[in-house]
Amino acid sequence: SQQGEEDPQALSIQEGENATMNCSYKTSINNLQWYRQNSGRGLVHLILIRSNEREKHSGRLRVTLDTSKKSSSLLITASRAADTASYFCATDTLFSRSNDYKLSFGAGTTVTVRA
Amino acid sequence: EAQVTQNPRYLITVTGKKLTVTCSQNMNHEYMSWYRQDPGLGLRQIYYSMNVEVTDKGDVPEGYKVSRKEKRNFPLILESPSPNQTSLYFCASSSTFNEQFFGPGTRLTVL
Repeated sequence: SQQGEEDPQALSIQEGENATMNCSYKTSINNLQWYRQNSGRGLVHLILIRSNEREKHSGRLRVTLDTSKKSSSLLITASRAADTASYFCATDTLFSRSNDYKLSFGAGTTVTVRA
Repeated sequence: EAQVTQNPRYLITVTGKKLTVTCSQNMNHEYMSWYRQDPGLGLRQIYYSMNVEVTDKGDVPEGYKVSRKEKRNFPLILESPSPNQTSLYFCASSSTFNEQFFGPGTRLTVL
């Protein structure tokens, strides 16, 4: 079953505005990652935040992680038309008993930036 | 150039005709996985492998097989494809707990 759930499912904003999307998950994680996908293409890694981190920045991206609420947010500041894409959160977990590593993706948020 | 390659990129086939989608990475990654992507459902993991000869089921393994005989290759096998396996398939690799590198995708249509 999918671990992460993004909210909203779709988002439409004007160029220059900020875009915020959220991800909630169910079980404990080691890291949370955000990916971007342009239509029909492979996913591209944006940022990874570890479970002991609360906030991380990369260029115009800001990610927060609240492990007590099992949630994360991705903020894209000063959006551009080129930011139009789908954004996915992914949680990774190492199950210590089985030494099993699992990466689970949510269903994604589709962001449209209007020029 | 570090990359994950998949072949073929597009495939139209008929029900029951066995097919293999190849995946290869040149980054010496331990972890490889296969996902399928369907509208509204995001990416769902089919199978994953933590190293050579170590594979395990993901969330939707029914109707698929994999093997990991070499570290760089992780083929996806559909022994008897059915129309509900029509989807966009992605292979990905990573060193554990790091970013996944995705292949360009294989668009499969089963008639």
